[in-house]
Amino acid sequence: QVLLVESGGGVVQPENSLRLSCAASGLTLSSHGMHWVRQAPGKGLEWVAFIQYDGNNKSYADSVKGRISISRDNSKNTLYLQMNSLRPDDTAVYFCARGRGIPPHHYFDSWGQGTLVTVSS
Amino acid sequence: IQLTQSPSFLSASVGDRVTITCRASQGISSYLAWYQQEPGKAPKLLIYATSTLQSGVPSRFSGSGSGTEFTLTISSLQPEDFATYFCQQLNNFPLTFGGGTRVEIK
Repeated sequence: QVLLVESGGGVVQPENSLRLSCAASGLTLSSHGMHWVRQAPGKGLEWVAFIQYDGNNKSYADSVKGRISISRDNSKNTLYLQMNSLRPDDTAVYFCARGRGIPPHHYFDSWGQGTLVTVSS
Repeated sequence: IQLTQSPSFLSASVGDRVTITCRASQGISSYLAWYQQEPGKAPKLLIYATSTLQSGVPSRFSGSGSGTEFTLTISSLQPEDFATYFCQQLNNFPLTFGGGTRVEIK
């Protein structure tokens, strides 16, 4: 059974940084492209970032480009999202998700439960 | 690529046939997926590649379309189907979602 567990969310002041983690079990992370998707309170879903199975290819939403970085440690079976220069409109639940298919033709078949990031002074 | 879902809200009864539409701002071939999300939970994959049912998803769910217009149909609405539904295009980066359709009990 695939299990993705996000952690690292919390309340942070604008312009500060935060690193989210997504620990995987029941799957070998090194075999899969992985994504972060976020959802602002009461709003829809927004794709944030993608990283290829080997870490050699990444893609980002325009709204986070230059401020957010996705990475992975396959030896720890863990995905990361480093978020810098955070803004109030980054406030959201952040989900990690497994991508299936050949990139960019990815759909998401496994999701974590999400971790809430609140950016507020 | 922008995805426009309609309606954004619908009220229906158990047993009703429900159809949700997703329109893409440009052609995406058959690269479309549908998700169901209950309040406070992660989305759940229902359908990918426009019409392929994810394992374990009831057969009352079906998808169709191509190019720029797609539909999700629930043939007979069940109590557990009252949720919000999102479409997602997987044609190219940045991957994008529709705004969602909330299905509520009439």
